[in-house]
Amino acid sequence: GPKVLQIPSHQIIDMGQMVTLNCDPVSNHLYFYWYKQILGQQMEFLVNFYNGKVMEKSKLFKDQFSVERPDGSYFTLKIQPTALEDSAVYFCASSRRLGGVEQYFGPGTRLTVL
Amino acid sequence: GDSVTQTEGLVTLTEGLPVMLNCTYQTAYSTFLFWYVQHLNEAPKLLLKSSTDNKRTEHQGFHATLHKSSSSFHLQKSSAQLSDSALYYCALRYQGGRALIFGTGTTVSVSP
Repeated sequence: GPKVLQIPSHQIIDMGQMVTLNCDPVSNHLYFYWYKQILGQQMEFLVNFYNGKVMEKSKLFKDQFSVERPDGSYFTLKIQPTALEDSAVYFCASSRRLGGVEQYFGPGTRLTVL
Repeated sequence: GDSVTQTEGLVTLTEGLPVMLNCTYQTAYSTFLFWYVQHLNEAPKLLLKSSTDNKRTEHQGFHATLHKSSSSFHLQKSSAQLSDSALYYCALRYQGGRALIFGTGTTVSVSP
């Protein structure tokens, strides 16, 4: 079936540094999402992106976070600067459209901030 | 606010026995309910999505029925297989919304 890829699978960085998480969504999908999962907790929605814009974001999507998808390449989540509480697994998802259809998830990037 | 509750953190059972995972939800809106399954080191994948009230949906031997009267969407399978060992998430999305709201997940461990 359709696959969402995420690069890298693991990332370890020092607090205060910048990190970019990359997502290669399903090719004909138009809606993109990031979710955050802290160890032992449920996945929580961060942001939805469509047509070059953030359409919806949660309170977890701090000012230090940004998303973009330049020229149809990777859909990225950038955190600058990182904080200890940003340590989590970040899942990317994409969907063809809204309205009850499936969101396809990637395997996640485990981010550790030291 | 909107929420999803999965009461079991871990379910252990023997191959061939039935399995039922609980999922209840709270929302003020018309919603879609989903079950996602995540095998170790893999991406979460959609297992089931809800249909209309009181209608059963089935996929890969699993089934669930949305009951709006009790705000539930429990997942069931009549005979568990070893390959069913995984993490199962119940999630909701209200109509017109974009975000999936997840429960805490239930780990299912099936032994021979």
